[in-house]
Amino acid sequence: GQQVMQIPQYQHVQEGEDFTTYCNSSTTLSNIQWYKQRPGGHPVFLIQLVKSGEVKKQKRLTFQFGEAKKNSSLHITATQTTDVGTYFCATGGGNKLTFGTGTQLKVEL
Amino acid sequence: DAGVIQSPRHEVTEMGQEVTLRCKPISGHNSLFWYRQTMMRGLELLIYFNNNVPIDDSGMPEDRFSAKMPNASFSTLKIQPSEPRDSAVYFCASRTGGPDTQYFGPGTRLTVL
Repeated sequence: GQQVMQIPQYQHVQEGEDFTTYCNSSTTLSNIQWYKQRPGGHPVFLIQLVKSGEVKKQKRLTFQFGEAKKNSSLHITATQTTDVGTYFCATGGGNKLTFGTGTQLKVEL
Repeated sequence: DAGVIQSPRHEVTEMGQEVTLRCKPISGHNSLFWYRQTMMRGLELLIYFNNNVPIDDSGMPEDRFSAKMPNASFSTLKIQPSEPRDSAVYFCASRTGGPDTQYFGPGTRLTVL
């Protein structure tokens, strides 16, 4: 099945700094989804990208799908303490999703 | 609307005991998934059902694990006998037949002593 590598594993930022996490694959992906998991919580769906070069925005979050559909990124502008959590990318066709290892974001005041 | 419901939220048991985790998917969703999350292995898909039928159980670690979905509104994941290495958070998720979005339950934190 499709596999995705996610970097970095951890990121500490000061509040107000930007943050980016990357998701990479050696094979072409049919789609990419992003989830956020707050500490002690469960994964919550953020967005899905399916088109080559697609860019979507949700307030301070910008999601990109690479032209070759082998990578994706999530960028947060001016982080806030509410952004704390682990961000996962996931990919798959039909029912079966394969999750990346996640990037744990900590935001310090 | 009620989301995915899981019970219990926390379970502490001793090695060798039987553990049963329960899940109620979102009404109208016809796919149900069981995941396990650990620090070492991340989020792993154990098994999923379509219309109450198990489709892929290749992620089930061994014969000690079994899952059932007797109807569209209920599923169980059973571990018998449990071992300390089964300690993890177990999530249930569901989705409709359309978009790929999966909706996760709050999880069951299992500790096997």
